[in-house]
Amino acid sequence: GDSVTQMEGPVTLSEEAFLTINCTYTATGYPSLFWYVQYPGEGLQLLLKATKADDKGSNKGFEATYRKETTSFHLEKGSVQVSDSAVYFCALNSEEYGNKLVFGAGTILRVKS
Amino acid sequence: NAGVTQTPKFRILKIGQSMTLQCTQDMNHNYMYWYRQDPGMGLKLIYYSVGAGITDKGEVPNGYNVSRSTTEDFPLRLELAAPSQTSVYFCATAQARTVQETQYFGPGTRLLVL
Repeated sequence: GDSVTQMEGPVTLSEEAFLTINCTYTATGYPSLFWYVQYPGEGLQLLLKATKADDKGSNKGFEATYRKETTSFHLEKGSVQVSDSAVYFCALNSEEYGNKLVFGAGTILRVKS
Repeated sequence: NAGVTQTPKFRILKIGQSMTLQCTQDMNHNYMYWYRQDPGMGLKLIYYSVGAGITDKGEVPNGYNVSRSTTEDFPLRLELAAPSQTSVYFCATAQARTVQETQYFGPGTRLLVL
């Protein structure tokens, strides 16, 4: 079945550091890819998405490019802030189960001032 | 618009008790989902619905039931609570069935079964 693998955390960075969170996927067909963010005590919010190969999703300074050849969707940000501290989930739409989302395990990001 | 709302926010149950987790949306979305999130894990799909009157099982449906009598509401029922059902439960909605669709999540219900 479809699956998503993302780098384990926690990732601890100083403010203004560069962020990369790796995400790779296995899927049949042509899924859309997503990054969701979960701030402490809250639900998941869509951060960005890409719907086809070579698309770049971007939002709030975060970027990720849909790489079909490497089956990857790595999340990057040039300069993180303390307010970016959260759990980040990589996900894809599976054609199974009513178009459910398949999630990675999540990566905790901690940014120190 | 409130989006997706869930109640309660937190609940402690004793083994064998039952409860209903409520989910309501005001976005007029056809598709609704229930996921559970276990510590250190991604979310797993419990049940989903493609419209009022239509529900179907997801990956981990055992111990749960759902109903969908209206577009807005999608309650999740636990009949005999077990410690393995300790988790955070998220309801989500989507407008239509395409792989490009974004799902919108509620704030979650944290359930502890003792």
